[in-house]
Amino acid sequence: QLQLQESGPGLVKPSETLSLTCAVSGGSISISSYYWGWIRQPPGKGLEWIGSFYYSGSTSYNPSLKSRVTISVDTSKNQFSLKLSSVTAADTAVYYCARLIITRSGWFDPWGQGTLVTVSS
Amino acid sequence: EIVLTQSPATLSLSPGERATLSCRASQSVSSYLAWYQQNPGQAPRLLIYDASNRATGIPARFSGSGSGTDFTLTISSLEPEDFAVYYCQQRSSWPPRITFGQGTRLEIK
Repeated sequence: QLQLQESGPGLVKPSETLSLTCAVSGGSISISSYYWGWIRQPPGKGLEWIGSFYYSGSTSYNPSLKSRVTISVDTSKNQFSLKLSSVTAADTAVYYCARLIITRSGWFDPWGQGTLVTVSS
Repeated sequence: EIVLTQSPATLSLSPGERATLSCRASQSVSSYLAWYQQNPGQAPRLLIYDASNRATGIPARFSGSGSGTDFTLTISSLEPEDFAVYYCQQRSSWPPRITFGQGTRLEIK
């Protein structure tokens, strides 16, 4: 059964870079037809897509975050990472990683449990 | 960018009743729409993909319909565990870009 697990600091200072890793178990990250992605959810608010990537290197980012986001993959460790630069309090959120199944459509399944990142000095 | 608008924002019903949740897209997304359920403190769970296909393990009381710009998630007879927040989501363009609706909270009346 495919499982995803987010990890990283729970507290980041304003203007610094948020860094998270998603470890994938129960399946390979290098499988065709699958993208992988990051989604976040500010406390009490809805879901916001951050970006997605394909193991071969193709990436797609939310235009509202594109200038600050980098998603990378380490196929040898079967994990992928998120970096969000110049963070502010508005970036405080639960961050989820998930598999993005792409056909002509696209949906996320499964999801990691999520990790709360607070931006505060 | 395609915008998804969900209605109502909050729906108050009793167990055993039928729930109808709506998701409207700002332009046609064909049948390329998914629905998720999120309980407090938990990650979202896929319910429906491609507008009307139930994900693995999802009870038959959940059904999805619609195409183009108007979509509906129906829960035929509410169970206590169904009271949660529901989100719709679509994928457009290539490489893929994703948008979510703002969510509908289904609460116990």
